[in-house]
Amino acid sequence: EPEVTQTPSHQVTQMGQEVILRCVPISNHLYFYWYRQILGQKVEFLVSFYNNEISEKSEIFDDQFSVERPDGSNFTLKIRSTKLEDSAMYFCASSDRPSGAFFGQGTRLTVV
Amino acid sequence: DQQVKQNSPSLSVQEGRISILNCDYTNSMFDYFLWYKKYPAEGPTFLISISSIKDKNEDGRFTVFLNKSAKHLSLHIVPSQPGDSAVYFCAVHSSNTGKLIFGQGTTLQVKP
Repeated sequence: EPEVTQTPSHQVTQMGQEVILRCVPISNHLYFYWYRQILGQKVEFLVSFYNNEISEKSEIFDDQFSVERPDGSNFTLKIRSTKLEDSAMYFCASSDRPSGAFFGQGTRLTVV
Repeated sequence: DQQVKQNSPSLSVQEGRISILNCDYTNSMFDYFLWYKKYPAEGPTFLISISSIKDKNEDGRFTVFLNKSAKHLSLHIVPSQPGDSAVYFCAVHSSNTGKLIFGQGTTLQVKP
């Protein structure tokens, strides 16, 4: 069964460093998303991406965040200068239509 | 931003009995309603969805009910099994924005 894959599963980084979280969406999907879940809180929307551009972003997705689809198969989330409060599980999701996204296993980001 | 509320943080049910998980939303413009199941350290797994033009959708042991006038969504699991123990998130989708908005989650425990 096709699935969304994310790497790495766990990333530890020092505050102020840049991180890149990687995702390989399901191959025929057109809609791509990043969500995050801070420990003990709900899953929060970060950004949606369609037709090679951001279609919507939340207030969390400030100038420190960016997304790319560099080669037609990968979908990356970059955080330029990480803060302690960026520590969370980051989930990539993809969909072949505007509803019912399928999620990856997540990357646990720990900023120390 | 409390557009989606799951007022019960936890639910405990005996194996074989019915589990009923509830969700309330505020915006009548949402067009799809979804339930996701999540185990610790894994991504949300899509369970079942319902379009706003329907009031019931059934898939095996899982049934989702939509009451648009009350802006209320529920997930029925019958019979409940110990393997159903997980956190259940309801999510709503708006065709205007493409993003999913999640509730806070309800932790279901099914006791053998």
